[in-house]
Order: sequence, then C-alpha cells, then structure tokens
Amino acid sequence: QQPVQSPQAVILREGEDAVINCSSSKALYSVHWYRQKHGEAPVFLMILLKGGEQKGHDKISASFNEKKQQSSLYLTASQLSYSGTYFCGTERRGGSEKLVFGKGTKLTVNP
Amino acid sequence: NAGVTQTPKFQVLKTGQSMTLQCAQDMNHNSMYWYRQDPGMGLRLIYYSASEGTTDKGEVPNGYNVSRLNKREFSLRLESAAPSQTSVYFCASDLLAGGAYEQYFGPGTRLTVT
Repeated sequence: QQPVQSPQAVILREGEDAVINCSSSKALYSVHWYRQKHGEAPVFLMILLKGGEQKGHDKISASFNEKKQQSSLYLTASQLSYSGTYFCGTERRGGSEKLVFGKGTKLTVNP
Repeated sequence: NAGVTQTPKFQVLKTGQSMTLQCAQDMNHNSMYWYRQDPGMGLRLIYYSASEGTTDKGEVPNGYNVSRLNKREFSLRLESAAPSQTSVYFCASDLLAGGAYEQYFGPGTRLTVT
C-alpha cells in the first residue's frame, strides 16, 4: 500500500514556498520524510507520530492528520539547497514492521 | 563512525551472472534493509532484517536472497542476474523496525545488467 505523493514535481524560485502532500488509504502510526539529491542517498528530514509528536528538522515543518491519513511537508522561503526529490514513508501499527515509501516529489529551486 | 557502507559502488554484470552486494553499519542498529530504486518508482523494499538472525521479504523479493551475517552486516545476493534487475540498490539501517526511527542509508550500488 504505497502512499501517494502530490505533486509529482514542482519548480520554485528562491524565496517561494511549497507544500508536498502524502496520503495513505490505511491507518498510520508514523510518517517519515526524506530528501534525496541527484546521485546521492536519501537523507532523513522528519518523523511525525500518531498523537502529535514530531522529530526532525529545524527549518522544515510538517503536519500529520491522523484521521485523514495524510501528511504535508512545508518548505518555506525556499533555498537553492532545497532542490531534490522528497519521499514520504509510512508505517502502520499492527501491520508488518516496514516503511513503505511513496514515489517522490521532485523539487527544483531556481535563482 | 562511517555510518552505513556499501560495496561495490558500481557493477556491470552479464545476464545470468551472480554477485553479492555487501552492506555494513557501525551504529549498533538492530534492523537493516535493502531497497532498489528505479526512475519514477521511489524506493521499494526487497528484504529486511528486523534483528540479527531474522530476515523477511519486502515488496519485490523475487530474484534475490539475503544473509544477515551478524549484527553489523547484511548482504544481498543476485543468483542469476536479469536486465530487469538493473537499478540502484540502497542498504539502510535503523535502531528498531516499526519503531518510528530514522533510517540511515548507504551511498548506493549502481548495477547494470546487460
């Protein structure tokens, strides 16, 4: 049950904001966010837990709506370094112990 | 502290050849994972090991085998490579599967099967 990310791609100018969404058809325990730059490994950004706990990054924020099984990643005042592909990963309790990743959202920030 | 290391970084195989991808972590993590990444498909789990001595299939296990050699090392074997296995392979680890912990990824192995 791969989560669905939207949009698939977004192009910004420096300083603009973006929102990336991740939704699942199943009840979730946690949502993870990772960023991958071209040719590199994914890097952890943030984890959001059922119940509202949040672990992760100072400059990037996110929300988790447990009832709707949705999470959104907010990138404000974007910088060139924000460019990359963003993946959400979802975990379910009572299911198998594994993270399932979405297909990714490619973010390009131009000067 | 090297984190997660993978060897080799690049590999070209001919159809039918076999090879083993090696992965090691030095963070004392219990759980380790093998993913493959194809354009537009995201990261798909091949196999994982929740703890030393256990392994389980992920989403796309066909054509692969794994061995959790010890707590540090988790290898992925392709017994008879096929062009459909051309991909980038990432190994990852975390403290405990299903525990909402950050996963740490290795640098990846770029495999081409001709």
